[in-house]
Amino acid sequence: EMQLVESGGGLVQPGRSLRLSCEASGFTFDDYGMQWVRRAPGKGLEWVSGIGWNGGSRGYADSVKGRFTISRDNANNQLYLEMNSLRPEDTALYHCAKVLDSGSYWDSSGLDQWGPGTLVTVSS
Amino acid sequence: QSVLTQPPSVSAAPGQKVTISCSGGSSNVARNYVSWYRQVPGTAPKLLIYDTYKRPSGLPHRFSGSQSGTSASLGITGLQPGDEAEYFCGTWDSTLNGWVFGGGTKLTVL
Repeated sequence: EMQLVESGGGLVQPGRSLRLSCEASGFTFDDYGMQWVRRAPGKGLEWVSGIGWNGGSRGYADSVKGRFTISRDNANNQLYLEMNSLRPEDTALYHCAKVLDSGSYWDSSGLDQWGPGTLVTVSS
Repeated sequence: QSVLTQPPSVSAAPGQKVTISCSGGSSNVARNYVSWYRQVPGTAPKLLIYDTYKRPSGLPHRFSGSQSGTSASLGITGLQPGDEAEYFCGTWDSTLNGWVFGGGTKLTVL
């Protein structure tokens, strides 16, 4: 059974950093593109970042470009999101998600497995 | 403000049919596959429709997807109380070079 589990969230002051992790199991991790998607309180889903199967291609939403870095460790089935210069508007539940059937993160078929999320709260 | 536009809420009685719309543009809905997700706030979204029309194995035929031009729709027939949740559409935007989602539609089964 496919499973994604996020960790690393918490309460952090504005301007500080946080690193999120996503552990994958039940599928061949390095065959698929992966995404980070967040949902802020009272708002809808927002794509944050995506990464191709080997980490060679990466993309970011304009709202996080230059502050967040996505990476992956295929040997250990881990996806990461390094978040710097955090702002109150980054407060959200962060989900990792698997691309349905492609090693590219820009494949639009769908995201077929999501984790339950890890909560990031940016507040002084 | 979401790139894809969905109605904030829809409602219908048990056993009835509901359609949730998703309006986009030439760089997203009209050009790429659309997918639909069900989410209860605070939990993981679940894929309902992929490749605009297709259902994952095990998903009832009550759920269907369609698309015409810059708009896509999710149809749910035979509504059940357990269908109450929030539903999102999503796709890749070829101009923004990122995934875009609708603002979500809360379904109430009266």
